Amino acid sequence: AQRVTQPEKLLSVFKGAPVELKCNYSYSGSPELFWYVQYSRQRLQLLLRHISRESIKGFTADLNKGETSFHLKKPFAQEEDSAMYYCALGFDGGYQKVTFGIGTKLQVIP
Amino acid sequence: SQTIHQWPATLVQPVGSPLSLECTVEGTSNPNLYWYRQAAGRGLQLLFYSVGIGQISSEVPQNLSASRPQDRQFILSSKKLLLSDSGFYLCALARKSPNSPLHFGNGTRLTVT
Repeated sequence: AQRVTQPEKLLSVFKGAPVELKCNYSYSGSPELFWYVQYSRQRLQLLLRHISRESIKGFTADLNKGETSFHLKKPFAQEEDSAMYYCALGFDGGYQKVTFGIGTKLQVIP
Repeated sequence: SQTIHQWPATLVQPVGSPLSLECTVEGTSNPNLYWYRQAAGRGLQLLFYSVGIGQISSEVPQNLSASRPQDRQFILSSKKLLLSDSGFYLCALARKSPNSPLHFGNGTRLTVT
């Protein structure tokens, strides 16, 4: 079965410190992986996806198929990064099915 | 650009009452549509998805149902609400193409009393 694991419900870091939000997945096929973010009082929105290999707001995520991981990283945390982050696994079930992790709340301490 | 309208934003309903949450989308045709429920500590749970008019698939058995009477309209319903139906409900859409991300509405906070 497809599964996404985010082991940390809450991650607190100081401003300027590096950030790593962990995500592991379980899927036997070729995965499509995403990170979604929800800032306070805003809608859930896409942050980045592995296929694009992009850096958004200083965040990057590399798909490691050997470790089945898709950790989200940023070298220097900023206060505006405080938000809820969800890792998501997309796969073709005849349509785009997406399974989400439970989310990690990132708290950047000034 | 794509836009998702969800209403109402908040709703308080007594146990046993009916429910109808509506989601309409703009700026895209023939999208896949989804209803998710978001709960603290439990992430997002997919409730229903639809690949076209009248085509509904349920992911989990529950007290809810969904309908898609028009291409850009997706409705979540219940005949009799339970306390356990309380939660935050999100409508989402995705284009029918590989790696297409989900776009979410603002959600509806439902409290069943």
